[in-house]
Amino acid sequence: EAGVTQFPSHSVIEKGQTVTLRCDPISGHDNLYWYRRVMGKEIKFLLHFVKESKQDESGMPNNRFLAERTGGTYSTLKVQPAELEDSGVYFCASSPWTANTEAFFGQGTRLTVV
Amino acid sequence: GQNIDQPTEMTATEGAIVQINCTYQTSGFNGLFWYQQHAGEAPTFLSYNVLDGLEEKGRFSSFLSRSKGYSYLLLKELQMKDSASYLCAVSTQDDKIIFGKGTRLHILP
Repeated sequence: EAGVTQFPSHSVIEKGQTVTLRCDPISGHDNLYWYRRVMGKEIKFLLHFVKESKQDESGMPNNRFLAERTGGTYSTLKVQPAELEDSGVYFCASSPWTANTEAFFGQGTRLTVV
Repeated sequence: GQNIDQPTEMTATEGAIVQINCTYQTSGFNGLFWYQQHAGEAPTFLSYNVLDGLEEKGRFSSFLSRSKGYSYLLLKELQMKDSASYLCAVSTQDDKIIFGKGTRLHILP
């Protein structure tokens, strides 16, 4: 069974540019989460999809971040325009219908804004 | 507010036993996870506790006390490959998973 896949694995962009990160969850997993780890800090929750609906987006830092989940399958996280403080590792995780089970993580996308 | 505390770093010797503690204060509780994360890799699942008590899985065990808001991860017969960060995470009643900052474990030969 394929795991959670994210791409790109690395992205280096200039301040002011746009970047779109993609996450393909495990097939059949209704829950999809985005997390971010900024250097030296904890992994912070960004948002949670249940199927195609945003269940909770309270962790999104500001309106430069836009997440979508087309048809309840893969998800994208767009940062526009990117700022230096957006640099970090963005993790995606998925889990079956209830959150009270193991969440499977992708390998993460390392975003560097220069 | 939401708060999960665990030590920043710990050091132990190969072959020994180490206990990593985690305390939490969250809005509701629906289970506690422990994840292992090697540098540059995604966190991988180790254990899940929702009821009080000890869950044993090979060399790793995890304990939970809901009344005390406390958990620990116990690693036995330490191996060099156990050098990693260990993340405590709580599932809250609104289905969020809140992570602690992680404990970086160093194993000495």
